[in-house]
Amino acid sequence: KAGVTQTPRYLIKTRGQQVTLSCSPISGHRSVSWYQQTPGQGLQFLFEYFSETQRNKGNFPGRFSGRQFSNSRSEMNVSTLELGDSALYLCASSFRETGADTGELFFGEGSRLTVL
Amino acid sequence: GQSLEQPSEVTAVEGAIVQINCTYQTSGFYGLSWYQQHDGGAPTFLSYNALDGLEETGRFSSFLSRSDSYGYLLLQELQMKDSASYFCAVKGSQGNLIFGKGTKLSVKP
Repeated sequence: KAGVTQTPRYLIKTRGQQVTLSCSPISGHRSVSWYQQTPGQGLQFLFEYFSETQRNKGNFPGRFSGRQFSNSRSEMNVSTLELGDSALYLCASSFRETGADTGELFFGEGSRLTVL
Repeated sequence: GQSLEQPSEVTAVEGAIVQINCTYQTSGFYGLSWYQQHDGGAPTFLSYNALDGLEETGRFSSFLSRSDSYGYLLLQELQMKDSASYFCAVKGSQGNLIFGKGTKLSVKP
C-alpha cells in the first residue's frame, strides 16, 4: 500500500507570492491533517479535513487555507508569503474520522518551503 | 490550554538505555502517543498509551501515568540508527493531535 505522498518536495518562493501544496493520503484514509514544522517549534497544527469538510483549524492567519477533494486528496495554500513561512509542511492521514482518536497518524515526508 | 514538555536533547552511547520524559497539560485526556523522526524524514508512529502502565514493543517501551500527567519512552539496547527526534503527542480540545517540541536523541559509538 502506497504511503502518504506530498508534492512538491522542495520549493523556493519569494515574499508576497502564494504557494499550493498537495497531499495524497493512503488509499482508504479519509482524514487529512496538515502541520507546519520549524526548528525548535515542533509540529504546529494547521487544519484537519474529513470527507471534504474542515473539522479543526489551528491558530494560523487566514493566509493559510486548505481544502479536501472527494477522492480525499488535499491541498493547502499560503498566500502573500512571508519569510517566517519558511518551514516543512507535513501532511498526515488517518482512516478514522479523526486521527487523534487512536493517536496514530501516517505522515508524508513533507514539502520544504523556503521563502526568500 | 494544552501543552507538552519534553527535554530538547538527550545523548547516550550505543548499547545503553535512555528514557525520554513527557509531561502534559490537557483538558480531557485520551492517550499519549510517541513519534520518531529522522532528519529529513517523515514522523513515524511508535506507540500509544491510553491506560496507565508500560507497553513494550521490541526495544522500545512507553509508559503512562495519568494521575501524574506524565509519560516516557524507553529505548533499550540503543543503536546508531535510533539517533532521531522523538515527539510525544496528545489529543487537543479541538480533536487534533498536539505535539511536543521534540527531543533530539544522539547515540554515540
